[in-house]
Amino acid sequence: NAGVTQTPKFQVLKTGQSMTLQCAQDMNHEYMSWYRQDPGMGLRLIHYSVGAGITDQGEVPNGYNVSRSTTEDFPLRLLSAAPSQTSVYFCASSYSRGLYGYTFGSGTRLTVV
Amino acid sequence: AQTVTQSQPEMSVQEAETVTLSCTYDTSESDYYLFWYKQPPSRQMILVIRQEAYKQQNATENRFSVNFQKAAKSFSLKISDSQLGDAAMYFCAYKGGGADGLTFGKGTHLIIQP
Repeated sequence: NAGVTQTPKFQVLKTGQSMTLQCAQDMNHEYMSWYRQDPGMGLRLIHYSVGAGITDQGEVPNGYNVSRSTTEDFPLRLLSAAPSQTSVYFCASSYSRGLYGYTFGSGTRLTVV
Repeated sequence: AQTVTQSQPEMSVQEAETVTLSCTYDTSESDYYLFWYKQPPSRQMILVIRQEAYKQQNATENRFSVNFQKAAKSFSLKISDSQLGDAAMYFCAYKGGGADGLTFGKGTHLIIQP
């Protein structure tokens, strides 16, 4: 099984550019979420989804947009990149409301210059 | 909002020794779940162990065990017979009963001395 697949693994953006971080899972998990990891800050929840067509904001949603048109995919969009969005981004999925833990993708390291 | 605190930014232990990583949390919920995740230099997040708050018995997975003190809101991870491959960042995480995701601590960097 592929698990949770994130693309790209690395990306450099210029301030003001837009891009989409892709996330796909093949485990038929209902729950998916996006986190960002900054040095000394742990992982913080950006957005999450409990199923196709349903999304909600996490702790740090500003500057990010998500949609969930299928169970498998949960892309994260940066509409106008800012240097403060330089971070490592993780997508995760789970079943049963995440009570048994989440499966994480390998992350995307994003640098905004 | 729930908070998770890991008070040890870095810990060092000799190979084959035992080390304990600390985690405390704050919540008003009675039903929740706690996790320890390992992040090696590869960046991959790996689930180490899971604890259900309504279970008094401490979870154990091979060399990894937890000391769960619900009244004190404490959830420490004990690694026995430390191995070089245990070197990593370790994150404590909280999951409440809602549909949202995990709340993480800031992590503890574990160094294994050969």
